[in-house]
Amino acid sequence: ETGVTQTPRHLVMGMTNKKSLKCEQHLGHNAMYWYKQSAKKPLELMFVYSLEERVENNSVPSRFSPECPNSSHLFLHLHTLQPEDSALYLCAMTFPSSSYEQYFGPGTRLTVT
Amino acid sequence: DQQVKQNSPSLSVQEGRISILNCDYTNSMFDYFLWYKKYPAEGPTFLISISSIKDKNEDGRFTVFLNKSAKHLSLHIVPSQPGDSAVYFCAASARGAQKLVFGQGTRLTINP
Repeated sequence: ETGVTQTPRHLVMGMTNKKSLKCEQHLGHNAMYWYKQSAKKPLELMFVYSLEERVENNSVPSRFSPECPNSSHLFLHLHTLQPEDSALYLCAMTFPSSSYEQYFGPGTRLTVT
Repeated sequence: DQQVKQNSPSLSVQEGRISILNCDYTNSMFDYFLWYKKYPAEGPTFLISISSIKDKNEDGRFTVFLNKSAKHLSLHIVPSQPGDSAVYFCAASARGAQKLVFGQGTRLTINP
């Protein structure tokens, strides 16, 4: 149990839908991350936020839009996705005690139909 | 260009024996290395880490070895238990980079 929660755990959406993934923790953090995990691929870093400011965007298509409104919440807004965007989306945090070790939420399994 | 590579997609080990998972990296700026374990339908769980100033770190049944000259690290699990069956990811970070680079993962299966 990492204290990082993600909702929803499963999501099925059509290509014309708009949805949002939510990540939440209340333990304080250094940085927050969104990753994508597709089958048989390494975890792909999508976005990094440090102190609620986006510090890195790994060339992610604009149909993915992150938001970090405060120190406890991180969102990933989705719109007009493609079937190849189906994957496990993971949120992670680092905490002041160690800036290297990232602690992950359980993920949202997204299926785009 | 994959900077962290786990060349074995899967490994099968008998219960009670030693499991050895391997990882190679190419970036000489990496100075901190981590292993994560992942069960299906869950996020990766941090397992053990090692700084580049060390060549070994041990935590219970888990030991990580780092060979900087070969740019290679390995995770040893002994004795292996059925609950160790999972996908193991190796990850690396460079000082100040604030991000991890992950390998593709190795699926470990412990047979009773």
